[in-house]
Amino acid sequence: EVQLVESGGGLVQPGGSLRLSCAASGFTFINYAMNWVRQAPGKGLEWVSTITSAGNTYYADSVRGRFTISRDNSKNTLFLQMNSLRAEDTAVYYCAKRYGSVWYYFDYWGQGTLVTVSS
Amino acid sequence: QSALTQPPSASGSPGQSVTISCTGTSSDVGGYDYVSWYQQHPGKAPKLMIYDVSKRPSGVPDRFSGSKSGNTASLTVSGLQVEDEADYYCSSYAGSNNLLFGGGTKLTVL
Repeated sequence: EVQLVESGGGLVQPGGSLRLSCAASGFTFINYAMNWVRQAPGKGLEWVSTITSAGNTYYADSVRGRFTISRDNSKNTLFLQMNSLRAEDTAVYYCAKRYGSVWYYFDYWGQGTLVTVSS
Repeated sequence: QSALTQPPSASGSPGQSVTISCTGTSSDVGGYDYVSWYQQHPGKAPKLMIYDVSKRPSGVPDRFSGSKSGNTASLTVSGLQVEDEADYYCSSYAGSNNLLFGGGTKLTVL
């Protein structure tokens, strides 16, 4: 059974940093692109970042230069390093697994971890 | 790039059909056949319902169908059931390794 478990969320001040983790199990992690998608409270979904199986990384304009996605295939874990955090980064952050042959469909999602940026 | 445009709400009675639209531009919805739809129940993670405009992943009922015309994609739910009440989000590849979501549509089954 595929499982994705996020951790690392919490309350951080504007300008601060936070590192999210997503522990994956139940599939061959190294073979799949992995993604971060966020959802602000009461709002819609927003794609944040993707890392392919080859290690290529993609970012939404809203986070490029501030967030860094990475993966540790030996530990089946996905990361999101978030720096220079802003109030508008407040959201539940989901990690999601690629579906099919392209990176932009997501078939399994974690339960999400809440990041709150506030003073 | 802006989010894709969806109506904030839609509704129908059990057994009826309802269609939700998702409007983008020629740079996203109109430019690629890489449109997907997700269902999200309150407090839950999203679920992939449609990909490649009109394909269904295994396990998704055939009551859910997708289509596209020009810059607008659509999700149709036929034979509405109470459990279909949820938020629905469209998504489209937008080129240059960018992905856009719609603002979401709250579907109410009356």
